[in-house]
Amino acid sequence: GQQVMQIPQYQHVQEGEDFTTYCNSSTTLSNIQWYKQRPGGHPVFLIQLVKSGEVKKQKRLTFQFGEAKKNSSLHITATQTTDVGTYFCASYSGGGADGLTFGKGTHLIIQP
Amino acid sequence: EAGVAQSPRYKIIEKRQSVAFWCNPISGHATLYWYQQILGQGPKLLIQFQNNGVVDDSQLPKDRFSAERLKGVDSTLKIQPAKLEDSAVYLCASSPYRGTGELFFGEGSRLTVL
Repeated sequence: GQQVMQIPQYQHVQEGEDFTTYCNSSTTLSNIQWYKQRPGGHPVFLIQLVKSGEVKKQKRLTFQFGEAKKNSSLHITATQTTDVGTYFCASYSGGGADGLTFGKGTHLIIQP
Repeated sequence: EAGVAQSPRYKIIEKRQSVAFWCNPISGHATLYWYQQILGQGPKLLIQFQNNGVVDDSQLPKDRFSAERLKGVDSTLKIQPAKLEDSAVYLCASSPYRGTGELFFGEGSRLTVL
């Protein structure tokens, strides 16, 4: 399946600071999805981006899909303790094998 | 609407023993996935079903792992014999569509192999 690389692996922020995680691929992606996994929980879908240059917002979260459809980012404004968790990007492989391939995730740690 | 159900939630076994996990997807979801998530890593796809047929099992260690979805609804993932490196959370996910749209995950089954 398509490989998606995420950076950083870990991010420590003070509560109230902003946070950004990046997802990169060497090949063009048909779409990109973002999931959040709370500690001890399961991945929960946040959003799917399909169009080149697409930007979507959910309250304090802003998602972007690159113009070349090879990268994506998730930005959280003014983090809160409820934002703690691991954020994964994922993409469908396409073709006959069409399972969702996940990145390794960015672990967000918030210090109050 | 009921979510994806998985059992057991936790299982501890010794190496070389066998274990089975069960998943019941959201009603009407034709696509079912089993993922393996090792601590600190992203979910890794093991097998994908479309109804009762296998779409992709290229990453399933077939010498020890098997999975079935006989009636196109619930599914079972089996490991026999288990190895230490199989310690992980086994996540089941379902989707109404193939190749697009969000996945709905169950709570997962945490396996510890001693």
